[in-house]
Amino acid sequence: NAGVTQTPKFQVLKTGQSMTLQCAQDMNHNSMYWYRQDPGMGLRLIYYSASEGTTDKGEVPNGYNVSRLNKREFSLRLESAAPSQTSVYFCASSEWGAGTEAFFGQGTRLTVV
Amino acid sequence: QQQVKQSPQSLIVQKGGISIINCAYENTAFDYFPWYQQFPGKGPALLIAIRPDVSEKKEGRFTISFNKSAKQFSLHIMDSQPGDSATYFCAASMDSSYKLIFGSGTRLLVRP
Repeated sequence: NAGVTQTPKFQVLKTGQSMTLQCAQDMNHNSMYWYRQDPGMGLRLIYYSASEGTTDKGEVPNGYNVSRLNKREFSLRLESAAPSQTSVYFCASSEWGAGTEAFFGQGTRLTVV
Repeated sequence: QQQVKQSPQSLIVQKGGISIINCAYENTAFDYFPWYQQFPGKGPALLIAIRPDVSEKKEGRFTISFNKSAKQFSLHIMDSQPGDSATYFCAASMDSSYKLIFGSGTRLLVRP
């Protein structure tokens, strides 16, 4: 049982480049999330998808877009990367909403130079 | 605006000692309070969680104490072990919400 799988694990981008972070879960969860983790700031919610077909902004959505491709997959896109987006990105899923256990992927370490 | 404040930022404990991490929240509508444990290079994983209808929850060496009137909750790790060395995050949310608000994290080091 793989749980939540993120790709890639590491990425270096130049300022202005675009990229998509992929996430897939195999637990049949309804809700999926993208967080970023920065030193001393915990995890901050970028976007979430309550269920297939819906997406909503979290705390720090600026500079990002998301797509809930199907129930399993939730991608995060950086259209024009900036150094301020250097961070570790985590995808997570839960059965239904923030009141149920969230399962996290291994993370993507992104550096924007 | 950070809605969950966590302290201390870092903590060093001797093996066998008690580790205590504290969190305070602002939003009285929060009704779910989980603690996540994160090892280097890994994603966070749920350790233990509590809802405000109880003041304490214990799972093995890990205990959450909850004080609704003070809007505070804490994690106690009894008989701390070197394998407990990790970063711990408290969090809070409303059951009806999709937004889990995390504290800033505590890096725990348990010395042998």
